[in-house]
Amino acid sequence: EAGVTQSPTHLIKTRGQQATLRCSPISGHTSVYWYQQALGLGLQFLLWYDEGEERNRGNFPPRFSGRQFPNYSSELNVNALELEDSALYLCASSFDSAGELFFGEGSRLTVL
Amino acid sequence: AQSVTQLGSHVSVSEGALVLLRCNYSSSVPPYLFWYVQYPNQGLQLLLKYTTGATLVKGINGFEAEFKKSETSFHLTKPSAHMSDAAEYFCAVSVWNRDDKIIFGKGTRLHILP
Repeated sequence: EAGVTQSPTHLIKTRGQQATLRCSPISGHTSVYWYQQALGLGLQFLLWYDEGEERNRGNFPPRFSGRQFPNYSSELNVNALELEDSALYLCASSFDSAGELFFGEGSRLTVL
Repeated sequence: AQSVTQLGSHVSVSEGALVLLRCNYSSSVPPYLFWYVQYPNQGLQLLLKYTTGATLVKGINGFEAEFKKSETSFHLTKPSAHMSDAAEYFCAVSVWNRDDKIIFGKGTRLHILP
Protein backbone atom coordinates (compact mmCIF):
# COMPACT_ATOMS: atom_id res chain seq x y z
CA GLU A 1 0.00 0.00 0.00
CA ALA A 2 1.42 3.37 -0.99
CA GLY A 3 2.02 5.84 1.82
CA VAL A 4 1.45 9.57 1.80
CA THR A 5 3.35 11.14 -1.06
CA GLN A 6 4.39 14.76 -1.30
CA SER A 7 5.84 16.77 -4.15
CA PRO A 8 8.14 18.42 -4.81
CA THR A 9 10.75 17.18 -2.37
CA HIS A 10 12.61 20.47 -2.51
CA LEU A 11 11.55 23.85 -3.79
CA ILE A 12 13.55 27.06 -3.99
CA LYS A 13 11.75 30.35 -4.48
CA THR A 14 12.50 34.02 -4.03
CA ARG A 15 10.68 36.52 -1.88
CA GLY A 16 7.31 37.54 -3.28
CA GLN A 17 6.86 34.45 -5.42
CA GLN A 18 4.21 31.78 -4.95
CA ALA A 19 4.75 28.15 -3.99
CA THR A 20 2.46 25.19 -4.53
CA LEU A 21 2.96 21.97 -2.64
CA ARG A 22 1.05 18.77 -3.33
CA CYS A 23 0.01 15.79 -1.25
CA SER A 24 -1.59 12.46 -2.03
CA PRO A 25 -3.07 10.68 1.00
CA ILE A 26 -3.19 6.99 1.65
CA SER A 27 -5.98 5.33 -0.27
CA GLY A 28 -9.17 5.42 1.77
CA HIS A 29 -8.11 8.35 3.94
CA THR A 30 -10.38 11.34 3.61
CA SER A 31 -8.60 13.75 5.97
CA VAL A 32 -5.47 15.67 5.02
CA TYR A 33 -3.48 17.81 7.41
CA TRP A 34 -0.73 20.29 6.64
CA TYR A 35 1.95 21.24 9.16
CA GLN A 36 4.87 23.64 8.97
CA GLN A 37 8.08 22.54 10.64
CA ALA A 38 10.45 25.46 10.93
CA LEU A 39 13.75 25.18 12.73
CA GLY A 40 13.25 25.16 16.48
CA LEU A 41 9.48 25.66 16.33
CA GLY A 42 8.18 22.09 16.22
CA LEU A 43 5.14 21.29 14.12
CA GLN A 44 2.80 24.20 13.59
CA PHE A 45 -0.68 23.25 12.43
CA LEU A 46 -1.61 24.91 9.15
CA LEU A 47 -4.74 23.38 7.65
CA TRP A 48 -7.06 20.42 7.95
CA TYR A 49 -9.22 19.20 5.08
CA ASP A 50 -11.81 16.48 5.29
CA GLU A 51 -14.20 15.30 2.59
CA GLY A 52 -13.22 18.24 0.43
CA GLU A 53 -13.89 20.92 3.01
CA GLU A 54 -11.60 23.00 5.19
CA ARG A 55 -12.32 21.92 8.78
CA ASN A 56 -9.86 24.04 10.64
CA ARG A 57 -6.87 26.26 10.10
CA GLY A 58 -4.02 27.32 12.29
CA ASN A 59 -2.79 30.78 13.17
CA PHE A 60 -1.30 31.60 9.77
CA PRO A 61 -1.99 34.57 7.49
CA PRO A 62 -4.45 34.23 4.59
CA ARG A 63 -1.62 33.96 2.08
CA PHE A 64 -1.41 30.34 3.23
CA SER A 65 -4.27 28.54 1.55
CA GLY A 66 -5.12 25.21 0.07
CA ARG A 67 -7.75 22.88 -1.16
CA GLN A 68 -8.71 19.26 -1.28
CA PHE A 69 -9.73 17.64 -4.51
CA PRO A 70 -12.48 15.03 -5.08
CA ASN A 71 -9.87 12.27 -5.00
CA TYR A 72 -8.81 13.59 -1.54
CA SER A 73 -5.43 14.79 -2.70
CA SER A 74 -4.55 18.26 -1.55
CA GLU A 75 -2.40 21.22 -2.38
CA LEU A 76 -1.01 23.97 -0.22
CA ASN A 77 -0.43 27.38 -1.73
CA VAL A 78 1.76 30.04 -0.20
CA ASN A 79 1.53 33.45 -1.81
CA ALA A 80 3.85 36.43 -1.46
CA LEU A 81 6.61 34.30 -0.01
CA GLU A 82 8.64 35.66 2.87
CA LEU A 83 12.03 34.51 4.13
CA GLU A 84 10.46 33.07 7.29
CA ASP A 85 8.31 30.73 5.20
CA SER A 86 11.40 28.60 4.69
CA ALA A 87 10.56 25.32 6.38
CA LEU A 88 9.70 21.69 5.93
CA TYR A 89 6.02 21.34 5.06
CA LEU A 90 4.56 18.05 6.17
CA CYS A 91 1.35 16.53 4.94
CA ALA A 92 -0.44 13.79 6.84
CA SER A 93 -3.57 11.79 6.22
CA SER A 94 -5.97 10.03 8.51
CA PHE A 95 -9.23 8.17 8.26
CA ASP A 96 -10.66 9.83 11.36
CA SER A 97 -10.10 13.08 13.21
CA ALA A 98 -8.66 11.62 16.40
CA GLY A 99 -6.68 8.70 15.11
CA GLU A 100 -3.20 8.09 13.89
CA LEU A 101 -1.69 10.47 11.37
CA PHE A 102 0.33 9.03 8.52
CA PHE A 103 2.98 11.48 7.36
CA GLY A 104 4.70 12.04 4.08
CA GLU A 105 8.39 12.86 3.99
CA GLY A 106 7.75 16.52 3.47
CA SER A 107 8.50 19.28 1.01
CA ARG A 108 11.37 21.53 1.94
CA LEU A 109 10.72 25.10 0.86
CA THR A 110 13.61 27.53 0.77
CA VAL A 111 12.87 31.20 0.22
CA LEU A 112 15.82 33.33 -0.84
CA ALA B 1 -8.65 23.78 23.47
CA GLN B 2 -5.94 21.28 24.13
CA SER B 3 -2.19 21.85 24.39
CA VAL B 4 1.00 19.85 24.82
CA THR B 5 4.21 20.68 26.64
CA GLN B 6 7.37 18.66 26.18
CA LEU B 7 9.99 19.27 28.83
CA GLY B 8 13.48 19.54 27.40
CA SER B 9 14.19 20.31 23.77
CA HIS B 10 17.31 18.12 23.96
CA VAL B 11 17.90 15.01 26.06
CA SER B 12 21.14 13.01 26.14
CA VAL B 13 21.45 9.49 27.51
CA SER B 14 24.17 6.89 27.35
CA GLU B 15 23.69 3.78 25.27
CA GLY B 16 22.03 1.17 27.47
CA ALA B 17 20.60 3.72 29.90
CA LEU B 18 16.95 4.50 30.57
CA VAL B 19 15.24 6.88 28.18
CA LEU B 20 12.61 9.22 29.68
CA LEU B 21 10.97 11.89 27.55
CA ARG B 22 8.40 14.03 29.31
CA CYS B 23 5.05 15.18 27.98
CA ASN B 24 2.29 17.03 29.78
CA TYR B 25 -1.01 17.88 28.18
CA SER B 26 -3.98 20.11 28.79
CA SER B 27 -7.43 19.09 27.66
CA SER B 28 -10.94 19.85 28.88
CA VAL B 29 -12.19 16.46 27.73
CA PRO B 30 -10.61 13.00 27.76
CA PRO B 31 -7.73 13.15 25.33
CA TYR B 32 -6.20 10.83 22.82
CA LEU B 33 -2.42 10.92 23.21
CA PHE B 34 0.34 10.00 20.80
CA TRP B 35 4.09 9.80 20.51
CA TYR B 36 5.69 10.16 17.10
CA VAL B 37 9.32 9.82 16.08
CA GLN B 38 11.10 11.67 13.28
CA TYR B 39 14.40 10.44 11.93
CA PRO B 40 16.59 12.88 9.97
CA ASN B 41 15.13 13.97 6.63
CA GLN B 42 12.01 11.90 7.12
CA GLY B 43 8.41 12.43 8.06
CA LEU B 44 6.96 11.40 11.39
CA GLN B 45 5.91 7.87 12.26
CA LEU B 46 3.73 6.69 15.11
CA LEU B 47 5.46 5.09 18.10
CA LEU B 48 2.39 4.49 20.24
CA LYS B 49 -1.01 5.90 21.13
CA TYR B 50 -3.46 6.00 24.01
CA THR B 51 -7.17 6.24 23.30
CA THR B 52 -9.04 4.39 26.03
CA GLY B 53 -8.51 1.37 28.27
CA ALA B 54 -5.15 0.30 29.66
CA THR B 55 -3.12 3.31 30.73
CA LEU B 56 0.25 1.66 30.02
CA VAL B 57 0.74 1.58 26.29
CA LYS B 58 3.44 -0.37 24.49
CA GLY B 59 4.74 0.75 21.15
CA ILE B 60 7.32 -0.10 18.56
CA ASN B 61 11.07 -0.39 19.16
CA GLY B 62 10.64 -1.16 22.87
CA PHE B 63 9.06 2.16 23.82
CA GLU B 64 6.15 2.52 26.17
CA ALA B 65 4.20 5.36 27.78
CA GLU B 66 1.83 5.65 30.70
CA PHE B 67 -1.24 7.87 30.74
CA LYS B 68 -1.57 9.49 34.16
CA LYS B 69 -4.74 11.52 34.33
CA SER B 70 -4.00 12.93 37.79
CA GLU B 71 -0.69 14.29 36.57
CA THR B 72 -1.92 15.12 33.04
CA SER B 73 1.17 13.36 31.78
CA PHE B 74 2.09 10.89 29.06
CA HIS B 75 5.82 10.32 29.46
CA LEU B 76 7.71 8.09 27.03
CA THR B 77 10.19 5.54 28.32
CA LYS B 78 12.51 2.84 27.08
CA PRO B 79 14.53 0.68 29.50
CA SER B 80 17.72 0.57 27.45
CA ALA B 81 18.71 3.15 24.84
CA HIS B 82 20.18 2.11 21.51
CA MET B 83 22.17 4.24 19.13
CA SER B 84 19.38 3.87 16.56
CA ASP B 85 16.99 5.68 18.95
CA ALA B 86 18.65 9.00 18.18
CA ALA B 87 15.87 11.07 16.63
CA GLU B 88 13.34 13.76 17.42
CA TYR B 89 10.27 12.74 19.39
CA PHE B 90 6.93 14.51 19.36
CA CYS B 91 4.05 14.17 21.78
CA ALA B 92 0.59 14.96 20.40
CA VAL B 93 -2.94 15.30 21.73
CA SER B 94 -6.33 15.21 20.13
CA VAL B 95 -9.93 14.79 21.18
CA TRP B 96 -12.82 13.01 19.52
CA ASN B 97 -14.27 16.10 17.91
CA ARG B 98 -14.75 16.46 14.20
CA ASP B 99 -13.92 20.15 14.35
CA ASP B 100 -10.80 19.92 16.42
CA LYS B 101 -7.26 19.29 15.39
CA ILE B 102 -4.27 17.25 16.48
CA ILE B 103 -1.78 19.39 18.40
CA PHE B 104 1.92 18.57 18.61
CA GLY B 105 4.49 19.52 21.19
CA LYS B 106 7.67 21.30 20.11
CA GLY B 107 9.63 18.06 20.12
CA THR B 108 12.54 16.60 22.06
CA ARG B 109 15.72 15.65 20.30
CA LEU B 110 17.19 12.51 21.82
CA HIS B 111 20.97 12.10 21.67
CA ILE B 112 22.55 8.73 22.46
CA LEU B 113 26.06 8.83 23.87
CA PRO B 114 28.37 5.87 23.18
